[in-house]
Amino acid sequence: AQKVTQAQTEISVVEKEDVTLDCVYETRDTTYYLFWYKQPPSGELVFLIRRNSFDEQNEISGRYSWNFQKSTSSFNFTITASQVVDSAVYFCALSEVNFNKFYFGSGTKLNVKP
Amino acid sequence: DVKVTQSSRYLVKRTGEKVFLECVQDMDHENMFWYRQDPGLGLRLIYFSYDVKMKEKGDIPEGYSVSREKKERFSLILESASTNQTSMYLCASSLNIQRSSGNSYEQYFGPGTRLTVT
Repeated sequence: AQKVTQAQTEISVVEKEDVTLDCVYETRDTTYYLFWYKQPPSGELVFLIRRNSFDEQNEISGRYSWNFQKSTSSFNFTITASQVVDSAVYFCALSEVNFNKFYFGSGTKLNVKP
Repeated sequence: DVKVTQSSRYLVKRTGEKVFLECVQDMDHENMFWYRQDPGLGLRLIYFSYDVKMKEKGDIPEGYSVSREKKERFSLILESASTNQTSMYLCASSLNIQRSSGNSYEQYFGPGTRLTVT
């Protein structure tokens, strides 16, 4: 069974629109970490955020915000006032404490048009 | 600045050749990983290593092997390359989660090697 599901394969928005990327995960562990990575066209994955399972506080970093809800096993990512430079593939990932492995979703490609 | 480097950005090999992909990290990380990335499939784990000379199969190990003789270096080997191994290969490293206490626990990725097998 897939541990991380990103149902949105590709999203296109116009600059300055807000956009939310969905991530749903599955785990039996009580302690785990969730991540978001950005992969720009250059190819290298860039770490954006880490969240542990005991910290359900939402986080905001500039135009980026993350909503973690254990009740729905979701860790969604919102970009406010999107810009062309936000165009990339975004990956959500899960790591279970006991295994040191990372499980990645299939990614969401975000196209921001001027 | 933390760094994961991979030996080649682009590689073209012929079917049946033995292929070595090298990955080096300078962060003293215990864990190292090899993924392949294909359109629509995300990142799929091939192998990972949690210590020198230790390795574990990931989700798609068939046709691959790995070597970790030194902590900083993790090699992916395609014993006999086939066209269905044409892909982007990504190396990553991380601290062991117990050592990191969570504060610096994430994967750092190399730039990737785009391998074409003809």
